[in-house]
Amino acid sequence: DAGITQSPRHKVTETGTPVTLRCHQTENHRYMYWYRQDPGHGLRLIHYSYGVKDTDKGEVSDGYSVSRSKTEDFLLTLESATSSQTSVYFCAISEPGTSGNEQFFGPGTRLTVL
Amino acid sequence: QQQVKQSPQSLIVQKGGISIINCAYENTAFDYFPWYQQFPGKGPALLIAIRPDVSEKKEGRFTISFNKSAKQFSLHIMDSQPGDSATYFCAAGAGGYNKLIFGAGTRLAVHP
Repeated sequence: DAGITQSPRHKVTETGTPVTLRCHQTENHRYMYWYRQDPGHGLRLIHYSYGVKDTDKGEVSDGYSVSRSKTEDFLLTLESATSSQTSVYFCAISEPGTSGNEQFFGPGTRLTVL
Repeated sequence: QQQVKQSPQSLIVQKGGISIINCAYENTAFDYFPWYQQFPGKGPALLIAIRPDVSEKKEGRFTISFNKSAKQFSLHIMDSQPGDSATYFCAAGAGGYNKLIFGAGTRLAVHP
């Protein structure tokens, strides 16, 4: 998985609790992304980062926040988890100017909100 | 419009047959069209990609056909094998930050 790890790999939590998912890369890629994958929807971009402390919203950002204090780490936080946020979350990385626009994906985190 | 529409949702092919998956887009600013392959429990992995300056790209048994005027592109898997059984996603990207819009996915099953 191109030097990308996600933690935790599985998590079960309750509605209303905060949850933080971590993505760690060893590739020194500048761009990082968080997606959610749901049946019938493919992958939808939640937030992305184009550098340390530089982040922006994707198409489904409501209820999520992100932070990137180091090149290698990109955190996704659900401030108050809801059942609609039950999903599989994927982190991806990309480096401008190399390998075209290719994004490399991590192994995913399966989150269940009860 | 940012949508990428993918069809069919699922596909069953016999071993040795041709698998064809189609995608359509609206945004003419898209300039990068990748296909990703995903096995159960794994993250998606790039299979093959094309840019709109060519109409076809082939890598082994996998071919992308691109029709710029119709705003459509398709993946052809020749001599399909049981090991090709996976979910396939088309995507489209444009401009900075390498952002991608994904189709809904096609679950392919290749029967022996």
